[in-house]
Amino acid sequence: NAGVMQNPRHLVRRRGQEARLRCSPMKGHSHVYWYRQLPEEGLKFMVYLQKENIIDESGMPKERFSAEFPKEGPSILRIQQVVRGDSAAYFCASSPDRTAGYTFGSGTRLTVV
Amino acid sequence: RKEVEQDPGPFNVPEGATVAFNCTYSNSASQSFFWYRQDCRKEPKLLMSVYSSGNEDGRFTAQLNRASQYISLLIRDSKLSDSATYLCVVNTGNQFYFGTGTSLTVIP
Repeated sequence: NAGVMQNPRHLVRRRGQEARLRCSPMKGHSHVYWYRQLPEEGLKFMVYLQKENIIDESGMPKERFSAEFPKEGPSILRIQQVVRGDSAAYFCASSPDRTAGYTFGSGTRLTVV
Repeated sequence: RKEVEQDPGPFNVPEGATVAFNCTYSNSASQSFFWYRQDCRKEPKLLMSVYSSGNEDGRFTAQLNRASQYISLLIRDSKLSDSATYLCVVNTGNQFYFGTGTSLTVIP
């Protein structure tokens, strides 16, 4: 079992470009969560998805951010027109059901220059 | 009020010491509780779930007090390798809420 796979590990984007972050959950896990961690801060919930459905996106900024978890393939977190304040570590986690503990991926560190 | 609150520390303790962290949560409807460990610039990893009856895993003991809405983690006989940030996590509805973490450094 390969665990939660995130790629890329590091991503550098210029202001105004798009960032696409990918997450493949653990085998058998249909619940995916995205979190953001700013330097020296805690993890902040962004969005919770199940296959083809967004369950809770209350932590997502209203503009420029979107997430999907298609029937086939990884979950994608997409950030359009990135700004310097988007620089952070983005962690994906998966679980087999709503109340089980998460398993996290290694994260994608986004740097906007 | 934050969903989950932790003392950020830092806690600096000598090897072999016993150290305890507490965490409070605001929503009495919270359903499940966990402690995670995060090493610098790495992903959080599940340390242990927390049950109402209390549970132990080696040198680690977790307790839940629903009446007072707090969770604790006790580490006995601290090792250098225990140095990390410990995150309290509370599941409420669809979301898992993370505390900002308590930093522990174990000193030789």
